[in-house]
Amino acid sequence: AQSVAQPEDQVNVAEGNPLTVKCTYSVSGNPYLFWYVQYPNRGLQFLLKYITGDNLVKGSYGFEAEFNKSQTSFHLKKPSALVSDSALYFCAVRESSASKIIFGSGTRLSIRP
Amino acid sequence: GAVVSQHPSWVICKSGTSVKIECRSLDFQATTMFWYRQFPKQSLMLMATSNEGSKATYEQGVEKDKFLINHASLTLSTLTVTSAHPEDSSFYICSVQRTSLTGELFFGEGSRLTVL
Repeated sequence: AQSVAQPEDQVNVAEGNPLTVKCTYSVSGNPYLFWYVQYPNRGLQFLLKYITGDNLVKGSYGFEAEFNKSQTSFHLKKPSALVSDSALYFCAVRESSASKIIFGSGTRLSIRP
Repeated sequence: GAVVSQHPSWVICKSGTSVKIECRSLDFQATTMFWYRQFPKQSLMLMATSNEGSKATYEQGVEKDKFLINHASLTLSTLTVTSAHPEDSSFYICSVQRTSLTGELFFGEGSRLTVL
């Protein structure tokens, strides 16, 4: 069965510093991986996805994520954090042959000025 | 990208009443829509998959008679919380998916239900 884990409930970073939000996954085949962001009382916004190709994927708002097959990870990164990046971030995975997308538990990112 | 409209954003109702939440796909026809429930500070729980023209597929543990889903057209799915009780208070979010299996989901803005 597919699963996804976000080991950190909260990540705190100073503005201007690089940030990383961790995600690991487990699927039986080739994974389709996604990152979403949620602001308070809002739906989820799509940030980026990995399907195939380059392991480094670039997405919205300057975010990128690196697919690492050997470590089964898909960490979200940004070189320089902004206060406006403070939000709840969800990693998600689906198996190539399945229709459901499974979400991680979410990581709250807090950027201090 | 896809635009998903969800209505209402907020609803407060009395215990025992029913509440309907609408989810519309505005710029493409969605044969499949998903309904999620999110508790405070928790992840999204998939409730059901809404299929246009057929019965919804409910996840284990979700009461189909409690959460009625209707997907009458390619652009509209509705979730009705019947005989709502305070424990049904939650944030409900719909999403649509492009026909490609690799496609990401596009989400509505969510509906905050509070049952008094």
